[in-house]
Amino acid sequence: SQTIHQWPATLVQPVGSPLSLECTVEGTSNPNLYWYRQAAGRGLQLLFYSIGIDQISSEVPQNLSASRPQDRQFILSSKKLLLSDSGFYLCAWSKGAGTGNTIYFGEGSWLTVV
Amino acid sequence: GQQLNQSPQSMFIQEGEDVSMNCTSSSIFNTWLWYKQDPGEGPVLLIALYKAGELTSNGRLTAQFGITRKDSFLNISASIPSDVGIYFCAGQPISNFGNEKLTFGTGTRLTIIP
Repeated sequence: SQTIHQWPATLVQPVGSPLSLECTVEGTSNPNLYWYRQAAGRGLQLLFYSIGIDQISSEVPQNLSASRPQDRQFILSSKKLLLSDSGFYLCAWSKGAGTGNTIYFGEGSWLTVV
Repeated sequence: GQQLNQSPQSMFIQEGEDVSMNCTSSSIFNTWLWYKQDPGEGPVLLIALYKAGELTSNGRLTAQFGITRKDSFLNISASIPSDVGIYFCAGQPISNFGNEKLTFGTGTRLTIIP
C-alpha cells in the first residue's frame, strides 16, 4: 500500500532563517506531488505541483520554492522566512495523469515563524 | 485560485443529530471528493464520487454526486464525538480535465455540543 510521510511535524523558526520541509511517498511510482498551505482555520491553498522529477509548477507568487530531486521526494524550501510564512503545510500525492485524481495527504507540518 | 462554495461554514450540533453539508460550483465537475481533517492532521479521504447521480455510503456517511454535475452533498447520520473536525469537498472541473489539480471547498467546521 502507498504511504506518504513528511517532516518535521513542528518547526519554530526566526524571521530570515532558511526552511526545508521534506516529503516522501512509498509504494507507488511517478506520482504527482503537491505542497499545500493552510492558515489557521482556513482552507487549503495549493503552492506547488509536480508531475515528475525537476518538473515543478508554482501556483502562487511567494517566498517559497519547491524541488523534486527524486521521483518520490518533494522538498519545500525558503532562503529567508517571513512572518507570513507561518501556517500548516501539507504534502500530498496522487496517481499519475490519466489514472485518477484522488489526492492523499501527509500528516502536515506546523511552521511558526517568530 | 478557484474555490468551491461549501456550506455551511460551521455547524454546532448535539451528539446523535444528523448532519448535512454541500458544495456547489458554477462549473461542471467530473469528480467529487469529500475529506475530513482532524485538528493538527492532514485531511483524510472519506468518499470519492465519479459519476453524476452516484450515491455512495461509508458507514454513517453518505455522499451524492449531483445530477447537474455542479454540486455534491455529504450527510452524517447519528453524529458521535469523533465526527468533530473540518470537512472539505474537492473536485476536478471538466474544464480542467487532464490537469490533475483539484479545486477545494472552503470547509465546514463541525462542533458537537455536550
